[in-house]
Amino acid sequence: GDSVTQMEGPVTLSEEAFLTINCTYTATGYPSLFWYVQYPGEGLQLLLKATKADDKGSNKGFEATYRKETTSFHLEKGSVQVSDSAVYFCAPRGAGGTSYGKLTFGQGTILTVHP
Amino acid sequence: DTAVSQTPKYLVTQMGNDKSIKCEQNLGHDTMYWYKQDSKKFLKIMFSYNNKELIINETVPNRFSPKSPDKAHLNLHINSLELGDSAVYFCASSPSERAAPMYFGPGTRLTVT
Repeated sequence: GDSVTQMEGPVTLSEEAFLTINCTYTATGYPSLFWYVQYPGEGLQLLLKATKADDKGSNKGFEATYRKETTSFHLEKGSVQVSDSAVYFCAPRGAGGTSYGKLTFGQGTILTVHP
Repeated sequence: DTAVSQTPKYLVTQMGNDKSIKCEQNLGHDTMYWYKQDSKKFLKIMFSYNNKELIINETVPNRFSPKSPDKAHLNLHINSLELGDSAVYFCASSPSERAAPMYFGPGTRLTVT
């Protein structure tokens, strides 16, 4: 089945620092790729997505590019804020076999941003 | 306004009891899901229904039984609760297309004592 490997956390940054959270995946077929964010005590919210190779998803200053050749979808932000403190999940949406239609999540990366 | 709602938000119960969690979506999506999030934040799919038909059933104990009375509702019933069932359970819905995102409910925190 599909699988995801995310950068180990927790990640601690100062405000305005540059953020990268690495994500690589294995998937059947041609998946769509998503980043979700979970703020403390809340459910998961869609952060951004990309549906084909070389697509760049972006939202709220976050970006990630669908790299099919390296099966990666790294999340970046140029200047983080305290309000970005949350858990970030990378997830391919399965396109074939028993993975069809389901999101497979990485272990999540906890981000803490200090003032 | 709430797209995917779950009740209850918190559930504290004793081992051996039976409990249910309800989920409703008003987005008109065809597919609904249950995910379990453990204490380390790891999320794993449990079930998926498409138009009331079960399409994904991961290796979940038989004590867990999903029910979908219509495509807007997906409930989760758990029999003979065990300590290891303590987790946060998320309901989600989406259109069937692979490019479509899933929309998650706020979660139900289940604590078994």
